[in-house]
Amino acid sequence: DAGVIQSPRHEVTEMGQEVTLRCKPISGHDYLFWYRQTMMRGLELLIYFNNNVPIDDSGMPEDRFSAKMPNASFSTLKIQPSEPRDSAVYFCASSLMGQPTGELFFGEGSRLTVL
Amino acid sequence: GENVEQHPSTLSVQEGDSAVIKCTYSDSASNYFPWYKQELGKRPQLIIDIRSNVGEKKDQRIAVTLNKTAKHFSLHITETQPEDSAVYFCAASSPLTFGSGTQLTVLP
Repeated sequence: DAGVIQSPRHEVTEMGQEVTLRCKPISGHDYLFWYRQTMMRGLELLIYFNNNVPIDDSGMPEDRFSAKMPNASFSTLKIQPSEPRDSAVYFCASSLMGQPTGELFFGEGSRLTVL
Repeated sequence: GENVEQHPSTLSVQEGDSAVIKCTYSDSASNYFPWYKQELGKRPQLIIDIRSNVGEKKDQRIAVTLNKTAKHFSLHITETQPEDSAVYFCAASSPLTFGSGTQLTVLP
């Protein structure tokens, strides 16, 4: 398997623009997580899905953030409108074992810069 | 929710020495404690994990100890090498809550 695949790897946009980050989890994994990494706040869990269903989105910072998982092989994280404080590396991760305490396999991340 | 605290935030050791990173957690129901290594510009990757029914686990130069009573766990790296230089994160709970990270530098 190619691992967790994220796109784009880098995104530079202007404040107010819509940003869509994409993730393809490892085939067969039933949990998918979106984390955000910044120097100030470290690795923060934004939302996670089990079998395509959102389980906990309490980490989503504001209504400007939304996430979907329309099928087992694809998820998106959308920010609309984007702000400079959204600049961060966004990681998608997936896990197996039927519970969220299995090993997390991270994608390479999407580095977002909002000017 | 879970709160994970990690210390120190930076750690420099001489090559060949040992390094110890410590974490505490708040949720007594947590039963899974992994450690991730993140090299500069790369993704976090699991290096070792421990579950609450075990007090210690070792894998070559890396070991993790868990004290559930005190709610703390530690990463021990022996015979450190330059390639061990990275940021190390502890985590706990389900889903995982990460500590703030430790920048380990191994000096040649």
